[in-house]
Amino acid sequence: SQTIHQWPATLVQPVGSPLSLECTVEGTSNPNLYWYRQAAGRGLQLLFYSVGIGQISSEVPQNLSASRPQDRQFILSSKKLLLSDSGFYLCAWNDRGESAFGSGTRLTVV
Amino acid sequence: AQKVTQAQTEISVVEKEDVTLDCVYETRDTTYYLFWYKQPPSGELVFLIRRNSFDEQNEISGRYSWNFQKSTSSFNFTITASQVVDSAVYFCALTTNNAGNMLTFGGGTRLMVKP
Repeated sequence: SQTIHQWPATLVQPVGSPLSLECTVEGTSNPNLYWYRQAAGRGLQLLFYSVGIGQISSEVPQNLSASRPQDRQFILSSKKLLLSDSGFYLCAWNDRGESAFGSGTRLTVV
Repeated sequence: AQKVTQAQTEISVVEKEDVTLDCVYETRDTTYYLFWYKQPPSGELVFLIRRNSFDEQNEISGRYSWNFQKSTSSFNFTITASQVVDSAVYFCALTTNNAGNMLTFGGGTRLMVKP
């Protein structure tokens, strides 16, 4: 079965610092991978998705970027964090009705 | 484009009451999948159910039941005899077989079950 590993679980970063959140998936090849963000008390917003190595689609223009250096690895980054980047970030896998989520990263920008 | 609407942002019930969470979806695809997820305060998403567009049979799992009606594009979720542990945010989601296979989420419904 598919498993998604996401780390770290929590992160407190100062404004202007860089960010790197990593997600890896096991149990499948060539997965479609997604990054979602959930602001406090809000719904899930799709940030990026990737259908393959080096292929990234951005849904919302913002201060973040994503990369897919390997088939089962999906990275969310920022060069300089803003206060508004605070939130709960979830990595996800989906394929023809099957889906799985990482355990999430709670990011607080101070 | 696809869309999921959960009109109820917050529901409060007393323990043992039944409660129904509404979900209405929009898609042009004939093949699609609908999901319900539970998000407890810890934040992780807990998978509850997946239903494909060709299977309109309603499903019951313990105190949970789901009513899928293509005629009204709805996939409602009912909790019978609610318990305090049911308190969480519940998300309805939709995906299709198109490129990207992205999951589109509704805005979520926060359910509070009071003792």
